[in-house]
Amino acid sequence: SQQGEEDPQALSIQEGENATMNCSYKTSINNLQWYRQNSGRGLVHLILIRSNEREKHSGRLRVTLDTSKKSSSLLITASRAADTASYFCATDEPSNYQLIWGAGTKLIIKP
Amino acid sequence: NAGVMQNPRHLVRRRGQEARLRCSPMKGHSHVYWYRQLPEEGLKFMVYLQKENIIDESGMPKERFSAEFPKEGPSILRIQQVVRGDSAAYFCASSPQGSTNEKLFFGSGTQLSVL
Repeated sequence: SQQGEEDPQALSIQEGENATMNCSYKTSINNLQWYRQNSGRGLVHLILIRSNEREKHSGRLRVTLDTSKKSSSLLITASRAADTASYFCATDEPSNYQLIWGAGTKLIIKP
Repeated sequence: NAGVMQNPRHLVRRRGQEARLRCSPMKGHSHVYWYRQLPEEGLKFMVYLQKENIIDESGMPKERFSAEFPKEGPSILRIQQVVRGDSAAYFCASSPQGSTNEKLFFGSGTQLSVL
């Protein structure tokens, strides 16, 4: 079953602008992860945020988690052309070995 | 320190043939996951293996698909008698401890095309 769902499905912005992507999920989680996938490549881990954390930063990335709304957001500040990729959230399913993946947000940064 | 290695990068098979996809996890990782991805979609879990053991194969079709992770050598995802619907990108990921609290390291994938 699909747990994480990203919104929007696609986002196109100018270089230098900020990009915000959202992820919603259905059941309780222990943690939520964000990954990036460049076209035709494997996924690269960006950030893991635990259920007892509200915000986490890594360079130009900022992730928030609202467990009451069962949602997370990924903010990329001062976007660059190299940020063009698909971004996926993944949630753990308690008592399971799997990560559950959303369909992703396709981000295009226009120069 | 090589990352997760998958081969081949591209694999073309005719309907009815067998496809073998290989995955060598990162050094020190004994947990391997296989995922399938269709264009413009997210990852679909197939199987989770530890060395010599299948831990969870709930996402893998019961017919034609099998996976192994032997004591020596890479993990193999095998698809027998391929059909057009098997065309997809297959990704392998590895982790050191098999916990969903740790990040996964992905290979570059194998793009399977069935003619």
